[in-house]
Amino acid sequence: DQQVKQNSPSLSVQEGRISILNCDYTNSMFDYFLWYKKYPAEGPTFLISISSIKDKNEDGRFTVFLNKSAKHLSLHIVPSQPGDSAVYFCAADSGGSNYKLTFGKGTLLTVNP
Amino acid sequence: ETGVTQTPRHLVMGMTNKKSLKCEQHLGHNAMYWYKQSAKKPLELMFVYSLEERVENNSVPSRFSPECPNSSHLFLHLHTLQPEDSALYLCASSQVPGSEQYFGPGTRLTVT
Repeated sequence: DQQVKQNSPSLSVQEGRISILNCDYTNSMFDYFLWYKKYPAEGPTFLISISSIKDKNEDGRFTVFLNKSAKHLSLHIVPSQPGDSAVYFCAADSGGSNYKLTFGKGTLLTVNP
Repeated sequence: ETGVTQTPRHLVMGMTNKKSLKCEQHLGHNAMYWYKQSAKKPLELMFVYSLEERVENNSVPSRFSPECPNSSHLFLHLHTLQPEDSALYLCASSQVPGSEQYFGPGTRLTVT
């Protein structure tokens, strides 16, 4: 049973427009959420995170929104750039003594020039 | 070297071979992790070490044997693997368990 779901395997966006990547989770114990970005032949790179006490966190072109009641989070990239083309993973952490990050399957974002 | 490094980057091994994957982190972190990424599957956590002590073994078969001799180095010893073990093996580290993890580039393992 997948506790973190990224239902869109891929997304294609025009340069300069907004990219919206979605993630749903089922475990109500998750209290910290992260987005990672992965280029081919490289490991995932931490991008941005959000604690469950917040509903929005912004860092430059990247904003993560959290809707706890819907158990949904999204990553907005605006404006999108061709260099943003990568696989984006959503991950969730339930904190405490559980060290496990639970990852989604990832969404391949392609930003077309 | 900076960040998290992994060697080798690619490995092909037979089912009767014994090999080891190496990970080194240059970030002064206290926690290290092994993940497995198979095609079309989420990243799967295999092992977690905190201050050289194993704190999580996520139901991994005994043909995978981790070793953490110090807080900067992590090994994954492999023996009698199966073809379905072919995957990308990623190492990560974090300041403390549960904080943001920094990943290495991974080792692409093929078991023939």
